[in-house]
Amino acid sequence: GAGVSQSPSNKVTEKGKDVELRCDPISGHTALYWYRQSLGQGLEFLIYFQGNSAPDKSGLPSDRFSAERTGGSVSTLTIQRTQQEDSAVYLCASSLYGGQLAFFGQGTRLTVV
Amino acid sequence: QKEVEQNSGPLSVPEGAIASLNCTYSDRGSQSFFWYRQYSGKSPELIMSIYSNGDKEDGRFTAQLNKASQYVSLLIRDSQPSDSATYLCAVMSRSGGSNYKLTFGKGTLLTVNP
Repeated sequence: GAGVSQSPSNKVTEKGKDVELRCDPISGHTALYWYRQSLGQGLEFLIYFQGNSAPDKSGLPSDRFSAERTGGSVSTLTIQRTQQEDSAVYLCASSLYGGQLAFFGQGTRLTVV
Repeated sequence: QKEVEQNSGPLSVPEGAIASLNCTYSDRGSQSFFWYRQYSGKSPELIMSIYSNGDKEDGRFTAQLNKASQYVSLLIRDSQPSDSATYLCAVMSRSGGSNYKLTFGKGTLLTVNP
């Protein structure tokens, strides 16, 4: 597709379960960002990937959060042992190169019950 | 800590008026500046980018950048009810090596009243 694609659109999970969120960036885009947006709040940076460089993981809130990007394209954000405070919209964005215009996917709304 | 500050609003303007949205940032080394619009329940949509001091116009939108004052603004002329949304200021900075960080303000809620 032409835009950033995220799946699933919505995910409801039980507390303590693991979840995987997927982001498929715009074709050819080398930079990829993950953000979290809690209800009524701003965008919280989680992690940044740039090509084959080591990712910037400085925004990951705990060691329950991890992300990988395979083959420089699709990225998966994994949250282990989910907690209710993990409930938020998880947004992915990509840009052609680092520092360039970044375009967002539609997000994954995660609800932990 | 690189910060981006915006007035949270809400900013309320009548239809046809000029809406002025402001943003300040802390990192003097910031290189690129963006405005995103976010409708309720939707993801952010890029509407303007600006890289050098001065004004940049695109239709009814004008972005203004003053790096000396570390200040970015967005003007919306002839505001329409469809412009009602949260406007996010975003600042791109180098964060070490080849990495970049795109830092967002918390957004200003704009309401345009018919």
